[in-house]
Amino acid sequence: AQSVTQLGSHVSVSEGALVLLRCNYSSSVPPYLFWYVQYPNQGLQLLLKYTTGATLVKGINGFEAEFKKSETSFHLTKPSAHMSDAAEYFCASWNSGNTPLVFGKGTRLSVIA
Amino acid sequence: EAGVTQSPTHLIKTRGQQATLRCSPISGHTSVYWYQQALGLGLQFLLWYDEGEERNRGNFPPRFSGRQFPNYSSELNVNALELEDSALYLCASSRRPGLSSYEQYFGPGTRLTVT
Repeated sequence: AQSVTQLGSHVSVSEGALVLLRCNYSSSVPPYLFWYVQYPNQGLQLLLKYTTGATLVKGINGFEAEFKKSETSFHLTKPSAHMSDAAEYFCASWNSGNTPLVFGKGTRLSVIA
Repeated sequence: EAGVTQSPTHLIKTRGQQATLRCSPISGHTSVYWYQQALGLGLQFLLWYDEGEERNRGNFPPRFSGRQFPNYSSELNVNALELEDSALYLCASSRRPGLSSYEQYFGPGTRLTVT
């Protein structure tokens, strides 16, 4: 069965520092992978997705993620954190057919001034 | 293009009552998904409808049910409400899975409080 593991339920960075949020997936075949962001009391917003092709994916708000099949990872990065990046981030994977999207437990990002 | 909409924004019910939550997908999307986000429990998959049929169901009791209408909007019904049903209920929509552009878009959620 698919699973998604997000290392670190809470990550804290200084404003202007590198953001690195980790995500590892478990799947028998390379899945489609997604990163979502959730601001307080709101729904989830799609940041970026990997389907096929280029393994480095660029998303909105300066975020990007790299699909590494050998490491079964899809870590999310941003070179310079901004206060507005403080939110909950979810990694998700999807294989095919009638299987639902599988979410990780989320990582809460705090940005310190 | 309008996004996924959900109503009501907030819903307060008493234990044992029934709750009905509604969702309208993005135009052109045929799949609707329901998730429960309870405090500390992350996103739990509830139900998935596509073209009016239930495609998959999460590990929830039968008192959680729903349906999808011909216009692809959807209802989630929760019967015999329990205190632990208090959560943010999120609806998402997507094009039919299998298409290359598959991804889910989420609505703002309905906050259900059971007292």
